[in-house]
Formats: sequence, C-alpha cells, structure tokens
Amino acid sequence: AQSVSQHNHHVILSEAASLELGCNYSYGGTVNLFWYVQYPGQHLQLLLKYFSGDPLVKGIKGFEAEFIKSKFSFNLRKPSVQWSDTAEYFCAVTTGGFKTIFGAGTRLFVKA
Amino acid sequence: DGGITQSPKYLFRKEGQNVTLSCEQNLNHDAMYWYRQDPGQGLRLIYYSQIVNDFQKGDIAEGYSVSREKKESFPLTVTSAQKNPTAFYLCASSRVEAFQPQHFGDGTRLSIL
Repeated sequence: AQSVSQHNHHVILSEAASLELGCNYSYGGTVNLFWYVQYPGQHLQLLLKYFSGDPLVKGIKGFEAEFIKSKFSFNLRKPSVQWSDTAEYFCAVTTGGFKTIFGAGTRLFVKA
Repeated sequence: DGGITQSPKYLFRKEGQNVTLSCEQNLNHDAMYWYRQDPGQGLRLIYYSQIVNDFQKGDIAEGYSVSREKKESFPLTVTSAQKNPTAFYLCASSRVEAFQPQHFGDGTRLSIL
C-alpha cells in the first residue's frame, strides 16, 4: 500500500536557523506531492504543491520543496525560519484520483 | 469570508449510539472530503464526494456513512459498527479539478463515554 513517511515528529530550531523536513513516499508511478501547514489555532492549509515540471517548487512564506524522483522524496526547506513558522507540517501524496495520503506530521517549534 | 464550518467542536457518544458530524461549506466547491486523524498518524480518508448525490469510500470507510444531498453539506455519521471511533475528524473541500483538499474545517473531536 502507498504510504508517506515523515522522519521527524518534532523539530526545535532557533530563529534564523535553516529548516529541512524530510518526506518520503512509497509508490512507483506518477505522483502529485503536497505540503500542508497548520499554524496554532488555524485551519490546515496548502503550503505548496508539485504536479510536474521544475522539481524545485516554491510556496508561500519563503518555503520551497524539492522533488527527487530517484529517492521518492519531497523535502521541505526554508533558509531562515522565523518564530511565526511554528506549526505542524504535513506531507501528502496523490497517486491519481481523489485519494490523498498524508504523513503523520512534523511539529516545528521555533525559539525566538 | 468563505469557509468550512464543522459542528459540534466536541462530541461525546455512548457505546452503541450513532452520531452525526456536520460539515457545511460556502466556497461553492464540488468536492468534499472526510478525514480521521489519530495521535501520531496522518489524516486518513474516510469518504469523499465529487458531486451531489455521489460519494466514494476512502481507505477507512467501515463503520461510517455519509450523504451528499446538497452541494454545501456533507454530513458524516459514525455508526455503532465503528469499533474505535474516538478521534479527531476533519472535513475538507476543493474544486473538483484540484483532486486534493484545498480548504479544511476546524474539526470535531469525538470521544466515547
């Protein structure tokens, strides 16, 4: 069965540190890839998505993610985090149709 | 502002009871989804609907039922057949061509007494 793995369940960083959150999926065919974010007290929202084309995708608030097909990975990055980036981040994959598979989430806490 | 409204926020159920979770959207989205979230796990798809009067089972549909009589509404019933219903339930919606949830509600936390 298809699955999505997020390696870090909790990450603590200081402001201005660089961020990389790992995401790997298990599916050999064509995928669409997503990162969602849930800020404290807010709804889950789409951060960025990859369907095709340039494997380096830029999203909102300075986030980017790189699709590496050979590694089945879609890691999320940000060069310099801010306190306001404290949130829970979910990686997700669709393999066709409406069935999106989510990872377990990574809770990021940024110390001011 | 457009969005998704889920009610109630907290729900308690006795063993053997059916309960219905409400989900209403005013985004004019055709597609709606129900997800279940358990601690340490990602969201798992229960049911989704692409259009009124049509819905499809997701990965964990057993013990749940839905209806889609109106575009705006997609209620989820947790039946007594669901053996482990205690969880956080999220409703979502999207334009049908998006193929993935774009907007989420605040969720309903269901607990068994």
